[in-house]
Amino acid sequence: NAGVTQTPKFRVLKTGQSMTLLCAQDMNHEYMYWYRQDPGMGLRLIHYSVGEGTTAKGEVPDGYNVSRLKKQNFLLGLESAAPSQTSVYFCASSWGRKETQYFGPGTRLLVL
Amino acid sequence: AQKVTQAQTEISVVEKEDVTLDCVYETRDTTYYLFWYKQPPSGELVFLIRRNSFDEQNEISGRYSWNFQKSTSSFNFTITASQVVDSAVYFCALSEPVKAAGNKLTFGGGTRVLVKP
Repeated sequence: NAGVTQTPKFRVLKTGQSMTLLCAQDMNHEYMYWYRQDPGMGLRLIHYSVGEGTTAKGEVPDGYNVSRLKKQNFLLGLESAAPSQTSVYFCASSWGRKETQYFGPGTRLLVL
Repeated sequence: AQKVTQAQTEISVVEKEDVTLDCVYETRDTTYYLFWYKQPPSGELVFLIRRNSFDEQNEISGRYSWNFQKSTSSFNFTITASQVVDSAVYFCALSEPVKAAGNKLTFGGGTRVLVKP
């Protein structure tokens, strides 16, 4: 039982490049989330999903897209990376709406 | 909007001392959930405890204990007999409903705990 895993762990991008961050959970959780963590800003919700095939915007969705084609996976895409997207990205999942969110190990992204 | 405040930015103690982390929150919800997470130097976020708003019973779990007082909107966390491995950033968080049946965590700014041997 791996819990929540994230791929890759670290990535360097040039401005304008695209990439996809993968989050996978093996706990059969319905809800999945993407957060970003920045110094002095805490964690902020980017997008979330309440079930397979559904996604919704969080508080900082601009510049990101997501997909939840399979229940266990939640993908975060950056179509055209910008330096402002340099951050640590955390994926989380939970069984239900008000249940505990369990986090992955994070992906550190540097956009030059 | 909901808000979580952790007034202590950094606490430094010597091993075996007790450490109490303060957390004050604001919410208009009548039912809500509060959490503490730990972020060690390795960077992952580790869930520690969860408390719902209608259960004010304070508990102890090993070296961890928490004091939830709804009247003062506080959810303080104590580490007893601290150890070097407790060195980390500790986040208090409040669950907040969002549209489309979703939910998000509103995090405080975190308190960095440094336990010296």
